[in-house]
Amino acid sequence: DTGVSQNPRHKITKRGQNVTFRCDPISEHNRLYWYRQTLGQGPEFLTYFQNEAQLEKSRLLSDRFSAERPKGSFSTLEIQRTEQGDSAMYLCASSLALGAEGSPLHFGNGTRLTVT
Amino acid sequence: QKEVEQNSGPLSVPEGAIASLNCTYSDRGSQSFFWYRQYSGKSPELIMSIYSNGDKEDGRFTAQLNKASQYVSLLIRDSQPSDSATYLCAVNQAGTALIFGKGTTLSVSS
Repeated sequence: DTGVSQNPRHKITKRGQNVTFRCDPISEHNRLYWYRQTLGQGPEFLTYFQNEAQLEKSRLLSDRFSAERPKGSFSTLEIQRTEQGDSAMYLCASSLALGAEGSPLHFGNGTRLTVT
Repeated sequence: QKEVEQNSGPLSVPEGAIASLNCTYSDRGSQSFFWYRQYSGKSPELIMSIYSNGDKEDGRFTAQLNKASQYVSLLIRDSQPSDSATYLCAVNQAGTALIFGKGTTLSVSS
């Protein structure tokens, strides 16, 4: 178990550019989540996958955001035409679906995005 | 809109005291409840999970759940300076995303 891995750790981009982040979950975990966190706030849910299927997407999520998990393993989160308000820590987490009880999420170290 | 509410703090306690952190949630159908700890600049890490009404103890930590009142709490006994962090309450139903509160900042003074 090598943990959840996220790349890059930091990304600085200019407003209007596109950025893509990658997340490699814990290998036996079938669920993968993306959250966004800004200073003083808790993690805000963006979207999650079970295997390769995207099961839920936040209604607050702009259509500039898209996520994929093509083979049910790693995932990418793309932000198109970045805005300064997109500056945040983007957290990926994974878990193992265990039936009725929700299983805990294991978080990666995050990707810190700064839009200038 | 599912909501999880926490006092942002800061909650300040002296070393050795009991710290009490509280959380309320809006979705009466919630089934799973978690407490995460987050140090500044780091990712959240799981402390406790609780699924049934009552108390669950793990070392110095006790989680308490009251589904009728839609209330979950975390007690930290014998608080240490290393417990100083932000504590996040998270709630979900089976098959839905985990929803987090804004967190309570705890400061333990030596």
